[in-house]
Amino acid sequence: ETGVTQTPRHLVMGMTNKKSLKCEQHLGHNAMYWYKQSAKKPLELMFVYNFKEQTENNSVPSRFSPECPNSSHLFLHLHTLQPEDSALYLCASSLGQDWGQYFGPGTRLTVL
Amino acid sequence: KNQVEQSPQSLIILEGKNCTLQCNYTVSPFSNLRWYKQDTGRGPVSLTIMTFSENTKSNGRYTATLDADTKQSSLHITASQLSDSASYICVVSARGSGYALNFGKGTSLLVTP
Repeated sequence: ETGVTQTPRHLVMGMTNKKSLKCEQHLGHNAMYWYKQSAKKPLELMFVYNFKEQTENNSVPSRFSPECPNSSHLFLHLHTLQPEDSALYLCASSLGQDWGQYFGPGTRLTVL
Repeated sequence: KNQVEQSPQSLIILEGKNCTLQCNYTVSPFSNLRWYKQDTGRGPVSLTIMTFSENTKSNGRYTATLDADTKQSSLHITASQLSDSASYICVVSARGSGYALNFGKGTSLLVTP
């Protein structure tokens, strides 16, 4: 689990708040991902960064704003979220395309 | 549309018993299939990965099978332990699909004493 770390592990926020999720990988990987995991639904890919460049944005609402300053760090900035955005947000990393993804422990987000 | 269907949705077994989880997919062209274990409140951890030419792969008490012709995979757990209680997710990758993976909804397994 120490390969990919996420903070905070739990977050409760109001709809007008601004918060950020942080992910760090210590595996020397080049690609990093944000996923949303809601109950009874498959993991949903949100964003992919490869060598700091965004390669995928799966029609994610603009209230979610990713930032990747380098290959080891990934942020997800949150603002004016909706209650339906409450979910487990998972970060993952991989060496590249077609390589296995290593997941962090996730941030459990609750939007009131 | 690429889809991954898992069954059963949930399963309860007694400690020490064996069980088999199923995964059917329509992903094409197929690249590889992975089984992940996700403990409650944790991120998924990879158990096995299989490519087109592989039809079985073991990792301790976990054995995955793949039938690329029928597009089916199974995960067999032998001599279950309480720590096997988790969600098991089947993930299928398509060639040329970039970084996107196709995730099943998972099978929730509960092993009871």
